[in-house]
Amino acid sequence: ILNVEQSPQSLHVQEGDSTNFTCSFPSSNFYALHWYRWETAKSPEALFVMTLNGDEKKKGRISATLNTKEGYSYLYIKGSQPEDSATYLCASRTGGFKTIFGAGTRLFVKA
Amino acid sequence: NAGVMQNPRHLVRRRGQEARLRCSPMKGHSHVYWYRQLPEEGLKFMVYLQKENIIDESGMPKERFSAEFPKEGPSILRIQQVVRGDSAAYFCASSDLTGTGDNNEQFFGPGTRLTVL
Repeated sequence: ILNVEQSPQSLHVQEGDSTNFTCSFPSSNFYALHWYRWETAKSPEALFVMTLNGDEKKKGRISATLNTKEGYSYLYIKGSQPEDSATYLCASRTGGFKTIFGAGTRLFVKA
Repeated sequence: NAGVMQNPRHLVRRRGQEARLRCSPMKGHSHVYWYRQLPEEGLKFMVYLQKENIIDESGMPKERFSAEFPKEGPSILRIQQVVRGDSAAYFCASSDLTGTGDNNEQFFGPGTRLTVL
């Protein structure tokens, strides 16, 4: 994998549903994996930074895991709320300083 | 502690004019990144700067685009002789890389939306 790829591209869920997204990134020369939450007309907001294989981070109802050997990360949202509606971006940073962003997963949570 | 500041928020230029976008990093941050978001696309890395140094400009077009981060003052992204294809949202982010791991977090500004007529 040469680029950062996210799936699905968009996701529609009902309030209360739990959901997860996938981020695939180049596993060679890996340095850090970032997750951001991006609401329309606002700037991306940092959720997590993970660097070690097996890392798990949690913030409220949102959690993330990291597998650097196979080059993927999962973002989980438990009990989705309408205010969780946003684009979730992952970004991979390699041993240099370049950060490559995925195209994002657009989450729509219906009340 | 003020966040990352960008100005102007909106900039309109005619073809051939110059656009200057400013980014003031968070207090204490000495690392600045510029990203471009073209319509219907995601964020694309352009350039990474430390104070007075360009570290990685591999994502920046070779012509018409330049960036600087002087010892004093904001970082400037300069686009000369703008064309319609330069219309995009330009975001900057800053970080403090004095540590490892979590200290590499990038904080984003609100962006500058450039429209070229």
